[in-house]
Amino acid sequence: AQSVSQHNHHVILSEAASLELGCNYSYGGTVNLFWYVQYPGQHLQLLLKYFSGDPLVKGIKGFEAEFIKSKFSFNLRKPSVQWSDTAEYFCAVKGAYEGGKLIFGQGTELSVKP
Amino acid sequence: DSGVTQTPKHLITATGQRVTLRCSPRSGDLSVYWYQQSLDQGLQFLIQYYNGEERAKGNILERFSAQQFPDLHSELNLSSLELGDSALYFCASSVAAGSNYGYTFGSGTRLTVV
Repeated sequence: AQSVSQHNHHVILSEAASLELGCNYSYGGTVNLFWYVQYPGQHLQLLLKYFSGDPLVKGIKGFEAEFIKSKFSFNLRKPSVQWSDTAEYFCAVKGAYEGGKLIFGQGTELSVKP
Repeated sequence: DSGVTQTPKHLITATGQRVTLRCSPRSGDLSVYWYQQSLDQGLQFLIQYYNGEERAKGNILERFSAQQFPDLHSELNLSSLELGDSALYFCASSVAAGSNYGYTFGSGTRLTVV
């Protein structure tokens, strides 16, 4: 069965620190990969997505993610976080040729201290 | 505003009751997905509809049901409510059933069962 594992439940960083959130997935075929962000009290917003091509994907707000097929990983990175990045981050996977349901990881709560 | 409208935003009800959550997809989107977000289970896919027909089913309880109407809005019906059904219920929409565009999420309905 498809599954997504996010390694960190809660990450605390100071402003300007670099961020890397881990995401590994389990799926036997071609996948589409997503990172979503959920700010407190708000809906999920798409940060970036990978379908094919360049495995280094750039998203909004300075975020990027790298798809490493051999490691079944899709880690999220940002070189310098800001207080406004405080939110919960979700990795999600979908079979590329399947119906539309997304399988989400458990989420990583990021707290950025000013 | 994401374009996906969910009503009501908050709902408080007693155990054993029945409630209906409503979702209007983004204009032009034919597919609607329902997700349940709880502290212990994370984001769980419940069910997907595409152009009025059920397309995929996830971890949806038998006490729960959904439908998508000709105008493409969808309703999620939760009956015989239990305390454990307290959660945030998200609706998402996409253009097609197996969309490669990502998904647009609504702001959610927070259900509290007392």
